[in-house]
Amino acid sequence: GESVGLHLPTLSVQEGDNSIINCAYSNSASDYFIWYKQESGKGPQFIIDIRSNMDKRQGQRVTVLLNKTVKHLSLQIAATQPGDSAVYFCAENFNNNDMRFGAGTRLTVKP
Amino acid sequence: ETGVTQSPTHLIKTRGQQVTLRCSSQSGHNTVSWYQQALGQGPQFIFQYYREEENGRGNFPPRFSGLQFPNYSSELNVNALELDDSALYLCASSPGGSPQETQYFGPGTRLLVL
Repeated sequence: GESVGLHLPTLSVQEGDNSIINCAYSNSASDYFIWYKQESGKGPQFIIDIRSNMDKRQGQRVTVLLNKTVKHLSLQIAATQPGDSAVYFCAENFNNNDMRFGAGTRLTVKP
Repeated sequence: ETGVTQSPTHLIKTRGQQVTLRCSSQSGHNTVSWYQQALGQGPQFIFQYYREEENGRGNFPPRFSGLQFPNYSSELNVNALELDDSALYLCASSPGGSPQETQYFGPGTRLLVL
């Protein structure tokens, strides 16, 4: 969802549960998408990417789903751990080399 | 760690001053992109350099300028600083200038303009 200033969408899950973070992207012509994780005081860290010719891609404990019909992207994290607590951003290659980031979702994992 | 380094880590300037931020790309990468990240928001694309040429620019005024050197390191220069320029400035490197490449980010430079 959208956020203004410091009011990031938040998701709180119990350790060991699965997490699903959603993202709506804006350009139907975007053909490459990335999920990044950003911990406090650090730069964004690559998690997983997907191209528009795919609708699902799996990594280690993470899965990205792409629904081009409704311009929606989701990140699923299996067996969420305390170290997964961070802000998660989706990004699309909006226009050539302009990588456009969403507003971010703050994931908190409760022990 | 991505191998992308940035300097300085923190910087304080006053309104109207000029600032230069530096980035060293990951080994083997010839493309550097710069982003501005305001507090609580996602990074916003400033511009990209590929093999020493500007290769795309976001919606930032001309007082934001850059350079890329033969070793593919890069500088971001901001003139006539404004209070709203206070942000985390991130650089990201990628292998070859294609829109479908993963960009690997450095830790950022936090700029405060007073």
